[in-house]
Amino acid sequence: NAGVTQTPKFQVLKTGQSMTLQCAQDMNHNSMYWYRQDPGMGLRLIYYSASEGTTDKGEVPNGYNVSRLNKREFSLRLESAAPSQTSVYFCASSDSFGGGAEAFFGQGTRLTVV
Amino acid sequence: QKEVEQNSGPLSVPEGAIASLNCTYSDRGSQSFFWYRQYSGKSPELIMFIYSNGDKEDGRFTAQLNKASQYVSLLIRDSQPSDSATYLCAVESSGGYNKLIFGAGTRLAVHP
Repeated sequence: NAGVTQTPKFQVLKTGQSMTLQCAQDMNHNSMYWYRQDPGMGLRLIYYSASEGTTDKGEVPNGYNVSRLNKREFSLRLESAAPSQTSVYFCASSDSFGGGAEAFFGQGTRLTVV
Repeated sequence: QKEVEQNSGPLSVPEGAIASLNCTYSDRGSQSFFWYRQYSGKSPELIMFIYSNGDKEDGRFTAQLNKASQYVSLLIRDSQPSDSATYLCAVESSGGYNKLIFGAGTRLAVHP
């Protein structure tokens, strides 16, 4: 049972380069999330997708785009990477919180922009 | 003002003591509240969730919710060194369906 799988685990980019972080879940969850985590800042929501076909901005969406490719997959794209985007990125998925669900997290992607 | 506020700590407690972690939130429409634990270099994992005012107990953990004061807390009884981690408070925002917002986390250190 894989749960939430993120790729890659580590990445170094040069300023101005682009890349896509991939996320897939096998729990048939409707909702998926992208967070970034910086020291002392907790998890900050970048974008989320409440259900297949919808995406919404979170707390820190600038510089990012997302695609909910299907129910399983939710990708995060950095079009022109900046050093301020150096962070650990987590993907998560969940069912409806009103039904007592929890969010399950991937193992994280450590991104460094130089 | 952040939607979810936590004292960053570190909170240091001796082994066997009660650790008390606090969280306040700004969205009065929030209905679901969660505590996650994150060990260094690992992903967050759920400890407890609470929806109703009052206390909810699960083993050594008790979550407390006061919606009037917009306050959530987590008590850890008989703290163990293995409880040393960062504890993240999360709130389902009323600003979007299933929109989950986290606080900055409180680092807990339990010393023998």
